[in-house]
Amino acid sequence: ETGVTQTPRHLVMGMTNKKSLKCEQHLGHNAMYWYKQSAKKPLELMFVYNFKEQTENNSVPSRFSPECPNSSHLFLHLHTLQPEDSALYLCASSHGQVEYFGPGTRLLVL
Amino acid sequence: ELKVEQNPLFLSMQEGKNYTIYCNYSTTSDRLYWYRQDPGKSLESLFVLLSNGAVKQEGRLMASLDTKARLSTLHITAAVHDLSATYFCAVDLGYGGATNKLIFGTGTLLAVQP
Repeated sequence: ETGVTQTPRHLVMGMTNKKSLKCEQHLGHNAMYWYKQSAKKPLELMFVYNFKEQTENNSVPSRFSPECPNSSHLFLHLHTLQPEDSALYLCASSHGQVEYFGPGTRLLVL
Repeated sequence: ELKVEQNPLFLSMQEGKNYTIYCNYSTTSDRLYWYRQDPGKSLESLFVLLSNGAVKQEGRLMASLDTKARLSTLHITAAVHDLSATYFCAVDLGYGGATNKLIFGTGTLLAVQP
């Protein structure tokens, strides 16, 4: 497998559930990112990690909890989400300027 | 508050025609990116513009950056159906650090008609 992969690709969860999104990059990059893409809104940067250290939290609610155990893996733990959190969640990685995006996880919160 | 605005939001054009998408931003930055997104797919990097006056071309697409005017353009020459997609510009507020901090525009949905 190459590039940036994300699992699951689709997820439906209730507001009381706890779930996790996984991102893995096979590019040897040191930086990883979480973005949220909602309908009719620009892509929003959520979190940035550099060599496993969080360098950016873009005022994201605490019901989203990122984890970066190593430079190749990034998780987004979800709990007590709201329906307005339904969106496409994209992971990206970079080494230098260009970010490479994964296919995304389409999340629906009921 | 930083704003990155694209114009137009929707563009329907005929094959063979030329057109330009504009990206205006409200803060100082000399790093700007263009991405393409096909329906149901992820984002694909098109261009990275790293200085005032930068111009890059790939096939029928050409991007330019004017940091003084805070404006980038994506010019489409002799459009073909395969160019139909949503195009995003993104301004980097990472200031040349080890990581990016991209602020994306609203996107321009391009539909090329035969």
